[in-house]
Amino acid sequence: SQQGEEDPQALSIQEGENATMNCSYKTSINNLQWYRQNSGRGLVHLILIRSNEREKHSGRLRVTLDTSKKSSSLLITASRAADTASYFCATITSGTYKYIFGTGTRLKVLA
Amino acid sequence: EAGVTQFPSHSVIEKGQTVTLRCDPISGHDNLYWYRRVMGKEIKFLLHFVKESKQDESGMPNNRFLAERTGGTYSTLKVQPAELEDSGVYFCASSQNMGTGTGKETQYFGPGTRLLVL
Repeated sequence: SQQGEEDPQALSIQEGENATMNCSYKTSINNLQWYRQNSGRGLVHLILIRSNEREKHSGRLRVTLDTSKKSSSLLITASRAADTASYFCATITSGTYKYIFGTGTRLKVLA
Repeated sequence: EAGVTQFPSHSVIEKGQTVTLRCDPISGHDNLYWYRRVMGKEIKFLLHFVKESKQDESGMPNNRFLAERTGGTYSTLKVQPAELEDSGVYFCASSQNMGTGTGKETQYFGPGTRLLVL
């Protein structure tokens, strides 16, 4: 599988529900970041979690990191139609500076 | 503070033509990166500048791609001659530092240039 692989590939939920997306990676990392891309727009940085952190919150976002399993999850609580977008995790392998992205999760929040 | 800007936002060209993409990083960011997303696949690294120097261009697909960053400010990515498989979204990003673990290595992305080669 690819470094930084997200699952599910697509997720459709009702407004107000929670959305959980997962990301797996292969190598040792310095940190892991989540980005959002709205249709036709650029990548927006959501949250960074360092390799020595296990959980981080930012507003309605909660990110967890399990370095033993080389995985991360992004939880969006009380989703809104405006959360409809593609979500990507990006990792930087220790000793490098290149982001490695997964294929993304396409989230659709229905009003 | 202005973010990363890219120009043009869209470009439609014919196979064999030349296209030049431009990226203006966040002011004060020495590090500039190019990435691209082709055919709905994952976003892939192309190259990295530190100021005006190419730090790593291992992701550049072939010699039809030429990136420059004269003066260490804005950067251009030229595709000459363009091929059908070059179609995709080209993202530029910039960061203050590189992988220092301080959080200043966060890369901020521009809106991308959507390139369509017919």
